[in-house]
Amino acid sequence: EVQLVESGGGLVQPGGSLRLSCAASGFTVSSNYMSWVRQAPGKGLEWVSVIYSGGSTYYADSVKGRFTISRDNSKNTLYLQMNSLRAEDTAVYYCARGIQHLDYWGQGTLVTVSS
Amino acid sequence: DIQMTQSPSSLSASVGDRVTITCQASQDISNYLNWYQQKPGKAPKLLIYDASNLETGVPSRFSGSGSGTDFTFTISSLQPEDIATYYCQQYDNLPPRLTFGGGTKVEIK
Repeated sequence: EVQLVESGGGLVQPGGSLRLSCAASGFTVSSNYMSWVRQAPGKGLEWVSVIYSGGSTYYADSVKGRFTISRDNSKNTLYLQMNSLRAEDTAVYYCARGIQHLDYWGQGTLVTVSS
Repeated sequence: DIQMTQSPSSLSASVGDRVTITCQASQDISNYLNWYQQKPGKAPKLLIYDASNLETGVPSRFSGSGSGTDFTFTISSLQPEDIATYYCQQYDNLPPRLTFGGGTKVEIK
């Protein structure tokens, strides 16, 4: 059974950093495209980043230069390193499998950026 | 950047009604259009991919159609468990990025 479990969310001050994790089971992260999508409270969905199976990475303009997507093949885990956090980064962050369409999603982890 | 215009933003219908949601792209996206269902407090769930393909395990009352710039999502007979927000999503590969529509909140009348 495919499962994605995010962790690492929490309260952080503006300008701070946080690393999100997404532990996968039932498939191999390194063989798939993996994405991060976020949802601000009461708002719609916003794509954040993708890592290709070959290792190429791409980002939404809103996070480019501040966020870094990566993976640990030995742990079958996806990461999102978030630096220089802003209030507008407050959201539930979901990891999902795919890029053209997202067929499996985690339950999400809440990131709150506030002083 | 490709913009996705989804309408309506909300609708209220009776159980058994046919429900239609539309999504318009600002330029030709071929069939790179997907539909998701999101229930409160839950992650989105893929229902339709590549405009008209039903994801495995999704009830057949859900369907999608369209290509190019205009797309339609239909629930043929609304059920109480279909209460959710529905999102369209397009895929652009140069550079790779996804764009979601604004969402349609479906409620029971």
